[in-house]
Amino acid sequence: GNSVTQMEGPVTLSEEAFLTINCTYTATGYPSLFWYVQYPGEGLQLLLKATKADDKGSNKGFEATYRKETTSFHLEKGSVQVSDSAVYFCALSGGSGNTGKLIFGQGTTLQVKP
Amino acid sequence: EAGVTQFPSHSVIEKGQTVTLRCDPISGHDNLYWYRRVMGKEIKFLLHFVKESKQDESGMPNNRFLAERTGGTYSTLKVQPAELEDSGVYFCASSHLGVHEQYFGPGTRLTVT
Repeated sequence: GNSVTQMEGPVTLSEEAFLTINCTYTATGYPSLFWYVQYPGEGLQLLLKATKADDKGSNKGFEATYRKETTSFHLEKGSVQVSDSAVYFCALSGGSGNTGKLIFGQGTTLQVKP
Repeated sequence: EAGVTQFPSHSVIEKGQTVTLRCDPISGHDNLYWYRRVMGKEIKFLLHFVKESKQDESGMPNNRFLAERTGGTYSTLKVQPAELEDSGVYFCASSHLGVHEQYFGPGTRLTVT
């Protein structure tokens, strides 16, 4: 079945460091890919999305490119801030046999230190 | 536009008791989903409503869980009787028909002691 794997956390970075959180997926058909973020004490928020191969999703300085050849959707940010500290979830939806439910990775906790 | 709301935000119950979680989706969203995150693991799908009908309930753990969506508006998720392994955060999400982007509520943290 469809699945998502993302890098283990926690990830600890200094402010202004470069961030990469790896995400790979297994799916049949052509799923849509998402990054969701959960800030402390809050619910899940959609960070960015991409609906087809080679699409780049971007928001708040974060980017991720839908790479079908490597089945990846890695999250990147050039310069992180303390306010980016949160849990990040990679997810997919759609593709063959999927009725629209989201399939999530295990989440990666990011802590950014001043 | 109001977002997805969930009630209660936190519930602590004893093993064997019953708990009912409520979700109010964004107005006009026909899709409603329930998910659960247990002990820092991945968020797992429980079930999916389209309006008042269950479209997919393949993620429901067992028959102690009962979900309803009255009139295609709000939804409830009842756990009866609760077991220790039911502890976790229960999320609700909604979306328009044909749209994969889902909007999440803040979650209900359930603790079974």
